[in-house]
Order: sequence, then structure tokens, then C-alpha cells
Amino acid sequence: DAGVIQSPRHEVTEMGQEVTLRCKPISGHNSLFWYRQTMMRGLELLIYFNNNVPIDDSGMPEDRFSAKMPNASFSTLKIQPSEPRDSAVYFCASSLQGANSNQPQHFGDGTRLSIL
Amino acid sequence: SQQGEEDPQALSIQEGENATMNCSYKTSINNLQWYRQNSGRGLVHLILIRSNEREKHSGRLRVTLDTSKKSSSLLITASRAADTASYFCATDSPSYSGAGSYQLTFGKGTKLSVIP
Repeated sequence: DAGVIQSPRHEVTEMGQEVTLRCKPISGHNSLFWYRQTMMRGLELLIYFNNNVPIDDSGMPEDRFSAKMPNASFSTLKIQPSEPRDSAVYFCASSLQGANSNQPQHFGDGTRLSIL
Repeated sequence: SQQGEEDPQALSIQEGENATMNCSYKTSINNLQWYRQNSGRGLVHLILIRSNEREKHSGRLRVTLDTSKKSSSLLITASRAADTASYFCATDSPSYSGAGSYQLTFGKGTKLSVIP
């Protein structure tokens, strides 16, 4: 079975540009999580969805970041305008049966984002 | 804020030796999970231990949990070069969205190197 699929794997762009990261969760999973990983701050939860509805976006750093989940098989994380400090690896993860942490999360291989 | 903190930050051992990694956390939890991350890849779930459990095994992995000390340990026995990776503990905590909503908080990980 296919795991969580993220695209692109790498993105290099200039500051001020809009960046869109994409995620396809595992079929049947109904919770989706967006994380950001940096050396300094480790892995941070940005936002998560349950049944396509955003549940907790308290980790979204500022209004430049937005996330959508228009259907059960697709989510996007958008940064507009991007800044060099947004450079990080962004992970999407999905799990089964809601946002209960008893369910293991399945991660994609991430998008490595570099803002010049 | 970081909930779980792994110790040591880095560990280098010879193939065949055992590797022990520790995790400390600050607040009460429902369960604790361990994940592995190979270089350039996403996190992979290894094992989950509930707060009412003290020890759990999975293959060469042994996890202990001491809720009175708010700590957990991950033991990998008879290590192999393929075990080289970063290992993270993750604890659940209720999100601000209320009952039934949980998010995982990850530590910064232990980087394990197994030398052939």
C-alpha cells in the first residue's frame, strides 16, 4: 500500500514567493498533521485536521501560513509570502480514527524547503 | 513547548552492542510513542506504551515507562548497522480544542550511529 505522499520533495525559491506544499494521506486515514522540522526547534506540529476539518492550528507561526484539506485525500500547506526563516523540512502525517494519539502516525518523506 | 527530551543527544556503538536511549517528559500523559527517522526520510512508528504499562517488547526493542519519574527508555539489543538513525519519543497531550483531541509532542531525538 502507498504511504503518505508529499510533493515536491525539494523546493528552492526566493523570498517573497508563494510556496505550496502538497500531501496525500493514506487511504482510509481521517486525521492529517502538518509538522515542521529544524535543527534548532526539532519537530513542531503546525496544524492538524480531523475528517477534513482543522482542529488545532495553534502551531501555525503566523498569518503567512495557511492550510487546507478540501477532501479526504488531499491537503496543502501554503506560505505567502515566504521568508528565509521558513527554510525547514515540512512533514505531513496521517493516522486512523481521529486525532486520538493512541493511533500511530504515518509520515511522508517530507518537503525540504529552502528560501533564499 | 518541548514535552519529551531524549538523552543522550548522540550515541555511537559497535555492531552487536546494545543501545539505550532515554526520554523525560514534564506533564502527565496517556501514552508515549517511539519513532525512528533515517536520514532524509520521514519518521516511522516503532512502539507505543500506555501510561498503565511498565514495559513492552517488540522484536529487538524493549521500552520501559516510569510515570513516577516521568521517564521512558528504549533499548535496542544486538544492534545492527541498519539501526543507524535518529530516535524520537513522543508524548500525547490534550490540544486546546478540548476533550478527545490529542496532539503528539516530539523531543529533539537521539542520533544513533552503529559502527559495523
